[in-house]
This record gives sequence, structure tokens and C-alpha cells, in this order.
Amino acid sequence: SQQGEEDPQALSIQEGENATMNCSYKTSINNLQWYRQNSGRGLVHLILIRSNEREKHSGRLRVTLDTSKKSSSLLITASRAADTASYFCATGAETSGSRLTFGEGTQLTVNP
Amino acid sequence: EAGVVQSPRYKIIEKKQPVAFWCNPISGHNTLYWYRQNLGQGPELLIRYENEEAVDDSQLPKDRFSAERLKGVDSTLKIQPAELGDSAVYLCASSLDRRVYEQYFGPGTRLTVT
Repeated sequence: SQQGEEDPQALSIQEGENATMNCSYKTSINNLQWYRQNSGRGLVHLILIRSNEREKHSGRLRVTLDTSKKSSSLLITASRAADTASYFCATGAETSGSRLTFGEGTQLTVNP
Repeated sequence: EAGVVQSPRYKIIEKKQPVAFWCNPISGHNTLYWYRQNLGQGPELLIRYENEEAVDDSQLPKDRFSAERLKGVDSTLKIQPAELGDSAVYLCASSLDRRVYEQYFGPGTRLTVT
């Protein structure tokens, strides 16, 4: 079963613009992670935020977490064509942080 | 450092036939995961191993799916017999141990059942 719901399902932007993707979930979590998947490839871990954190940065990525609203957002700044991929949020179960439940993903297209 | 290795990359079989997928995790990673990813969806966990012990197999359809990780290193996932609805990408992932939550994924095996 899918815990996370991602919004939007698809996003198309121009190179240089920022991209924001949102994730909502239903149950209490230990951590929330974002992964990227290029077409026909495996998933690549991008960033992890723990349930007691509110914001985290990694390079051009910024993740926020609001546990009261059970939601998270991923911001990619100054997007590049190479950022074109599907982006998935995954929640780690409260009792077992390594047990991940993935959302259905956002397909991001960055046009050159 | 070598990543997670999976084979085969693609497999086409007729329904009712058996099929097996193989995964070699990153060296030193004790936790191994098998996921199934249907088209346009996120991965769904099938089974999770801590070393050679299956600690979470609640999502594994045990009537036709089986998995093993005999020496706590590489792992095999088997389907017998395959059904049309089993067509999907089967992903293997590993992490250092259960306290380290970031997972490293292999490229997956794309299974087509005809």
C-alpha cells in the first residue's frame, strides 16, 4: 500500500527555474526520504530528514517537513535538464525507520 | 565501490513458468530489500532481510513468491508459477544495517509475463 501521495503528478519547467514537489502521508514516521529515478534505472537517494527536523539542505535541494500536517516538500533550485526524472518520497515507519513506504512519484521535466 | 548488482536486467516468460532474480548488495551491507515497482507507481516492499534472516515478509505473496539469502550476502527472489499480473520491475536495495536508513538501489529486473 502507498503511504505517500505526491503532488503534482507531473511538472514541466524551464531550465533555471525552481521546482517544488509535495508529499503527504498518513501515519507517524521516523524519517522521510526523497529519491530520484531516471527512466529505466534504479532509485538514487537524495536526502533524508528525521521526524524531529524541520528543514534540511543539500546542494540545490531543500527539504521541509511538517509533522503536524504530515507533509513534506522538496525544492530543487536552478533546475537543469539533467534533473529530469521521477521523484519519490518515502516514509520510514515510526517503529522501524528502515522500513520505507514510497509514494507514487512526481515526474519532473526540465526543458532546455 | 561497486553498487548493487542485479541480474538479469530483462526477462520475458510465459505465464505459469518459473523465474528467478538475483541480487548482490554493496559489500558490507547487512540489510537487503526486494521491491516490486509497477508502471507509474512507487516501489512496494516485498521482503526485508537483516543478514540471512527475513525480518519483514508481510507483503510477499507466499503462495507463489519465495526468497532466500543463505549466507547473508547475495539473495534470490523466485516466482513460481508466474502470472500476467507479475509483470513489473523488481528492485533490490541494500543498506549498511537497520539503523542506517538510506537505501542503495540496483538497476532492477524488468519482468514481462505473456
